[in-house]
Amino acid sequence: DARVTQTPRHKVTEMGQEVTMRCQPILGHNTVFWYRQTMMQGLELLAYFRNRAPLDDSGMPKDRFSAEMPDATLATLKIQPSEPRDSAVYFCASGPDRWATEAFFGQGTRLTVV
Amino acid sequence: DQQVKQNSPSLSVQEGRISILNCDYTNSMFDYFLWYKKYPAEGPTFLISISSIKDKNEDGRFTVFLNKSAKHLSLHIVPSQPGDSAVYFCAASAQGGSEKLVFGKGTKLTVNP
Repeated sequence: DARVTQTPRHKVTEMGQEVTMRCQPILGHNTVFWYRQTMMQGLELLAYFRNRAPLDDSGMPKDRFSAEMPDATLATLKIQPSEPRDSAVYFCASGPDRWATEAFFGQGTRLTVV
Repeated sequence: DQQVKQNSPSLSVQEGRISILNCDYTNSMFDYFLWYKKYPAEGPTFLISISSIKDKNEDGRFTVFLNKSAKHLSLHIVPSQPGDSAVYFCAASAQGGSEKLVFGKGTKLTVNP
């Protein structure tokens, strides 16, 4: 049963600390997305990659957020330094091509910054 | 400025009846629309979509209607089942279903037995 795996599932950290969220996309999927869900904004696209190359990160706060794909089996989203307003659920999704209808979401990482 | 709006945060219906979830959009460049379903502690899953060249798309109990002139779409679930209880997100794309989706904030549907 292929699925997108995200770790950790929950993270509580203090303001100012670095946070790293990891995602293992479905094997063979070449497009990887990072989304953030908050009560105020709903689901927002932060960044996405195709064949490990970043295509668009315009949804991401550049000063503190960074997203990378060190290899085809791992995508990371880092926040440094973290702030309370970063508290949200972060979802990774992967798909076999550019069509959003074929993207599968992970279970998310619930981040709480205190 | 929200480009995709789901004005009803929640909806409650009886099992067997019709559920109608609504979505409005403001960007006339949107040409592809999708509905996602999300259970607690899980990621969203794709449910059904519609292209702007159509006004209706049906898949089993789920039908999506698109009214381009009103910039409005709706998802109908008939008959509703308790397992349909979830948060439903409307999403739109300006590139024919490509990766850049704009989501609404979701409507929580509760189907009562």
